[in-house]
Amino acid sequence: EAGVAQSPRYKIIEKRQSVAFWCNPISGHATLYWYQQILGQGPKLLIQFQNNGVVDDSQLPKDRFSAERLKGVDSTLKIQPAKLEDSAVYLCASSLEDRGRYGYTFGSGTRLTVV
Amino acid sequence: GENVEQHPSTLSVQEGDSAVIKCTYSDSASNYFPWYKQELGKGPQLIIDIRSNVGEKKDQRIAVTLNKTAKHFSLHITETQPEDSAVYFCAANDRASGTYKYIFGTGTRLKVLA
Repeated sequence: EAGVAQSPRYKIIEKRQSVAFWCNPISGHATLYWYQQILGQGPKLLIQFQNNGVVDDSQLPKDRFSAERLKGVDSTLKIQPAKLEDSAVYLCASSLEDRGRYGYTFGSGTRLTVV
Repeated sequence: GENVEQHPSTLSVQEGDSAVIKCTYSDSASNYFPWYKQELGKGPQLIIDIRSNVGEKKDQRIAVTLNKTAKHFSLHITETQPEDSAVYFCAANDRASGTYKYIFGTGTRLKVLA
């Protein structure tokens, strides 16, 4: 089966600019996650979708980050305006069900550098 | 909520030797513990997992053990090969949140020296 697709692979922007990332999960996977991975750290959940509804966005900095998953398939994550500390790899993952009882499948991520 | 600690942060072994990475978790309600391998420029890849009703699981050269009483679990890689060099992450599901998200450790960079 095709994996989780993410684009772009790399993005460099200046602080205060905006940026958007795209994710296409594995076909049939109802649950989609966005994780932020700062260099040298483990991934941290930003937001979890079940179909097109938000299940958990408790760690999403809502003053600058937003995400949507239209039609329960593709998802976009946006940052506006970006700060230097947003430099990280943004990972999208999907799973067949929402209870985390089976491992996620991660995409290759988007590496964001804010200068 | 759940907190996961992972040690060591870096580990160097000679090819053919064994490698052990240890993790502890704080929430006794957690019942699923996956391990991920992340190679440079790639996303984490699930390599093995264990559920709380099992004490040990093995898949070829990789094994994971779980001690629920002590709330720790370990990854064991035997007969290490250069292609095992990567960053390894442990994780535990955070059931207290009600959403079963994974809480990851901080990672172990494994270097297998030829």
